[in-house]
Amino acid sequence: QVQLQESGPGLVKPSQTLSLTCTVSGGSISSGYHYWSWIRQPAGKALEWIGRIYTSGSTNYNPSLKSRISISVDTSKNQFSLKLTSVTAADTAVYYCGRAVDYWGQGILVTVSS
Amino acid sequence: QSVLTQPPSASGTPGQRVTISCSGSSSNIGSTYVYWYQQLPGSAPKLLIFRNNQRPSGVPDRFSGSKSGTSASLAISGLRSEDEADYYCAAWDDSLSGPYVFGTGTKVTVL
Repeated sequence: QVQLQESGPGLVKPSQTLSLTCTVSGGSISSGYHYWSWIRQPAGKALEWIGRIYTSGSTNYNPSLKSRISISVDTSKNQFSLKLTSVTAADTAVYYCGRAVDYWGQGILVTVSS
Repeated sequence: QSVLTQPPSASGTPGQRVTISCSGSSSNIGSTYVYWYQQLPGSAPKLLIFRNNQRPSGVPDRFSGSKSGTSASLAISGLRSEDEADYYCAAWDDSLSGPYVFGTGTKVTVL
């Protein structure tokens, strides 16, 4: 049974870069599923898709965030990562990493505040 | 910004059938598969329905999905107290390259 675990700072200052890593366990990130995803959810609000990365390295991003997002994969560490630049309070949310769109990690709360 | 519209709330008594609607457009629901997620309080979303009406292993057959044109529905039959949660529909928009759009979410309350 694959498991996903998000990790990274829980507090980021405005204008800085949010960096999160998702560690995949219970299976190889390179086998089975073709892509891995990030979504987020501000408190009390709906889910928002951030983007995805294929194990080949190809990416698709949410157009509303595209200029600030970068998703990468490290198959040797069985991890994939998210970077979101120039953050503001509006980026405060629980961030989830996922296997395709069918299974999500437990999530990590990231607060943007000085 | 959600592009799929759901009613904010729905409710029923134990044993009843509850239906949640999801309205989209020709660029998402009208041309791609619909997915449904259940989110219990404080938990990650859990996939309930994929490809319009398919249930992942372990999801009870009390949950069923359907799609017609640019709208979709999730039905919960034999409502149980543990079904009290937020439910989200989702679909790929414009093309399979994304974005993946979620609905506005529906809070189901078991009375």
